[in-house]
Amino acid sequence: QQQVKQSPQSLIVQKGGISIINCAYENTAFDYFPWYQQFPGKGPALLIAIRPDVSEKKEGRFTISFNKSAKQFSLHIMDSQPGDSATYFCAASISGQNFVFGPGTRLSVLP
Amino acid sequence: SQTIHQWPATLVQPVGSPLSLECTVEGTSNPNLYWYRQAAGRGLQLLFYSVGIGQISSEVPQNLSASRPQDRQFILSSKKLLLSDSGFYLCAWSVIGKGQETQYFGPGTRLLVL
Repeated sequence: QQQVKQSPQSLIVQKGGISIINCAYENTAFDYFPWYQQFPGKGPALLIAIRPDVSEKKEGRFTISFNKSAKQFSLHIMDSQPGDSATYFCAASISGQNFVFGPGTRLSVLP
Repeated sequence: SQTIHQWPATLVQPVGSPLSLECTVEGTSNPNLYWYRQAAGRGLQLLFYSVGIGQISSEVPQNLSASRPQDRQFILSSKKLLLSDSGFYLCAWSVIGKGQETQYFGPGTRLLVL
C-alpha cells in the first residue's frame, strides 16, 4: 500500500513533442505529490508538486495532472527539449513524512 | 535560504575499509534527515532516516550505520565496506507540516568499492 508505481521505465521523444510520465498510488492518506528531475551525477531536484485538492498544476512547460478518484497523477512536459533529458521520479508523502518514490523514468529527447 | 552539503563528492575505497560520509544542512532547524542509495540507473533506496538528534531508523538491514550527532549533521558509516556498497549516496532533508513538505536532496557522494 506504500508503493508508488511509475511508467514507462524509459521514454524517447522528439524535440518539440510531449513527454508523459504516469504514476499510481494506493494509500489514500498521501497528501503531497512531488516530481523530481535528476541529471546524471547530480542529486534529484524538485520540479513541480501538487496536493490532492487540485486537479492540475502548471509551471512553464511542466504540468501535473491529478486524478484523485483513480489515485493516479502524471507529468506532462510540453515542447520537450534535449535539455529535458534526465531521469524523472514521482513521489508521494503524508505531510512531509513517509516519502515513497517511484522507480524513475529515463527520458531522452532527441534533437 | 536552506542548503545541504555532502562530502566527499567522490570516494574510492578498498573492500574491508571503513567509511564515513557526512551531510550537513544549513538554514533550517530540526529537519528530518535521510540517507538514500542509488545504484547506477536505478531508483532511490531509503537506508536511514532521522527525526531528531540521536534518533535513527533503519530501513534496510546491511553493514551500514547512521548517526546524528548534531541537529543538522547526518553521518553514514561502515566498519568494513563490501563490493555491493558501491553506489551513489544521497542525503536529503525535509520539515513536517502543510506547505513545507518537500524533500530536498544534496549533491550526492559517488562511492566505488574495489
